[in-house]
Amino acid sequence: GNSVTQMEGPVTLSEEAFLTINCTYTATGYPSLFWYVQYPGEGLQLLLKATKADDKGSNKGFEATYRKETTSFHLEKGSVQVSDSAVYFCALRNTNAGKSTFGDGTTLTVKP
Amino acid sequence: GAVVSQHPSWVICKSGTSVKIECRSLDFQATTMFWYRQFPKQSLMLMATSNEGSKATYEQGVEKDKFLINHASLTLSTLTVTSAHPEDSSFYICSAEGQAYEQYFGPGTRLTVT
Repeated sequence: GNSVTQMEGPVTLSEEAFLTINCTYTATGYPSLFWYVQYPGEGLQLLLKATKADDKGSNKGFEATYRKETTSFHLEKGSVQVSDSAVYFCALRNTNAGKSTFGDGTTLTVKP
Repeated sequence: GAVVSQHPSWVICKSGTSVKIECRSLDFQATTMFWYRQFPKQSLMLMATSNEGSKATYEQGVEKDKFLINHASLTLSTLTVTSAHPEDSSFYICSAEGQAYEQYFGPGTRLTVT
């Protein structure tokens, strides 16, 4: 079956530090991959996506590259801000599954 | 971006009563919607997949007679928690699926059963 494993948190960084949140997946075929973010007190929202191998999704300074050879979709940002403090979810969607599979979420706290 | 609303945002009910939660996609039509519970340590649990015009598909372990889902139109899905008990207290989140399989989430509904 499909599964997503993401880096356990919590992750605490200082402002302007480099961020990596690891995400690996198991799936048949060629799933689409997503990162969602949940800011404190808010609902989840789509951060970025990639639909095929070697695609790079990017948004708000965040990037993730679809690596089929390592079945990974790691989230990166070069310089985090306090406002990036949130919970980040990695997810995949196989067209034949009818639903998405989510990781357990990683809490990021950025300190000034 | 696409907007999904949920109503109510929070509700308190007495044990044994039923509660209905509405999920609306405001600016697009959604053939598929999903209902989740989010637990205190943040993980999402998919409860069911709701397809417009057909019966919902429930995940293993989710009681379909307790959590009634209706997806009567392309912009509205409802979740009714019947005969609610304190263990049903949780944060319920809906989402609508876009054309590229991305999901647009509602803000969630906090249910407290006393």
